[in-house]
Amino acid sequence: DAGITQSPRYKITETGRQVTLMCHQTWSHSYMFWYRQDLGHGLRLIYYSAAADITDKGEVPDGYVVSRSKTENFPLTLESATRSQTSVYFCASTVTTGALNEQFFGPGTRLTVL
Amino acid sequence: AQSVAQPEDQVNVAEGNPLTVKCTYSVSGNPYLFWYVQYPNRGLQFLLKYITGDNLVKGSYGFEAEFNKSQTSFHLKKPSALVSDSALYFCAVRDSGTGGFKTIFGAGTRLFVKA
Repeated sequence: DAGITQSPRYKITETGRQVTLMCHQTWSHSYMFWYRQDLGHGLRLIYYSAAADITDKGEVPDGYVVSRSKTENFPLTLESATRSQTSVYFCASTVTTGALNEQFFGPGTRLTVL
Repeated sequence: AQSVAQPEDQVNVAEGNPLTVKCTYSVSGNPYLFWYVQYPNRGLQFLLKYITGDNLVKGSYGFEAEFNKSQTSFHLKKPSALVSDSALYFCAVRDSGTGGFKTIFGAGTRLFVKA
């Protein structure tokens, strides 16, 4: 199916474990983003990517790692999960024609760190 | 630094009545403003945006928003609310002055429409 997908949709892990959240889009959008959504904070940008092999930090990058070897994939890795990383994570993408365009969001991954 | 505020955590309105969800922003350059809606267990969906031009912007599902530069506001409105409009609404801003794709989201406003 066309669009932007995330996997897994739900994940429970333990403190200290490594976790990777996957994001895949079929539009060939250049820009992709990772956000976390926490009550009272709205969405906060973790990392973004302007193209394959180009990534940059957002507002809250600590404890996270990203990569983008292919345009369509943008995985987010929590190297050593902490309870404070319990959140809902959203991946998004946008078209290449400048900063004027809206973002398209995936369905989200609900991560619980015990 | 750019910022956006949604002063109401929750808005309650009766079906058929007009609704307003408030948003104010702060940017150094000209703002690019967006409204998104989130239904339960779903990602955000784009509703409308203001880039330039007419201050009244029309979007999806009968929503509109009014850009007011002097008040630095971008309130979301709908003339007649539906129960199905009940959802979480996010205002977002990009600063044209700084360039780039960095978007700041408000904390969200939950809209309840009672039948």
